[in-house]
Amino acid sequence: DTAVSQTPKYLVTQMGNDKSIKCEQNLGHDTMYWYKQDSKKFLKIMFSYNNKELIINETVPNRFSPKSPDKAHLNLHINSLELGDSAVYFCASSQDRGSGNTIYFGEGSWLTVV
Amino acid sequence: AQSVTQLDSQVPVFEEAPVELRCNYSSSVSVYLFWYVQYPNQGLQLLLKYLSGSTLVKGINGFEAEFNKSQTSFHLRKPSVHISDTAEYFCAVSSILTGGGNKLTFGTGTQLKVEL
Repeated sequence: DTAVSQTPKYLVTQMGNDKSIKCEQNLGHDTMYWYKQDSKKFLKIMFSYNNKELIINETVPNRFSPKSPDKAHLNLHINSLELGDSAVYFCASSQDRGSGNTIYFGEGSWLTVV
Repeated sequence: AQSVTQLDSQVPVFEEAPVELRCNYSSSVSVYLFWYVQYPNQGLQLLLKYLSGSTLVKGINGFEAEFNKSQTSFHLRKPSVHISDTAEYFCAVSSILTGGGNKLTFGTGTQLKVEL
């Protein structure tokens, strides 16, 4: 069983389009995240949700809107896609409390904007 | 603010040779350190983590890391690498988030390339 699963894995789309990436975790975790990996492989957190509530938004443009219908799901919707949005987007999850808790990552969604 | 520095962007090594991937951190609070591995076109997998206690941490696939507070380092080592260890390795420091969960701040990664 895949612990953190996200779809689609690959997505090629034109500038200006709107797209969504879905994420589900079956680990029973309270907290879910979106991380972005740029073309230089640098990883940075975008959002964190705890029990369906937004915890942090790391200066991500308003075009990115995460939605958490329940604790097990955190979807990422992107409006008006730009070339610079091309990246790998990772969904992740962890238990609620403790800096030492392991964050489990999905397989990634490779987004290419043309 | 916490930060992580991985000085080596690429480390080439021959199979069965030992390897060390360097990681230095900066943190003003208690430190929780992680190493993740990313194989080509895949997600991140936890190799090992340091929370407290013994400074030598053993992880999966024969990797280990040593926490050195005085040198603010958390270097990753393997005594004998295999071709399948070719991957990108990320060092990260964790900080707790008010409201729940924790945040990983990553280094820029080190590409380990194992050659025959």
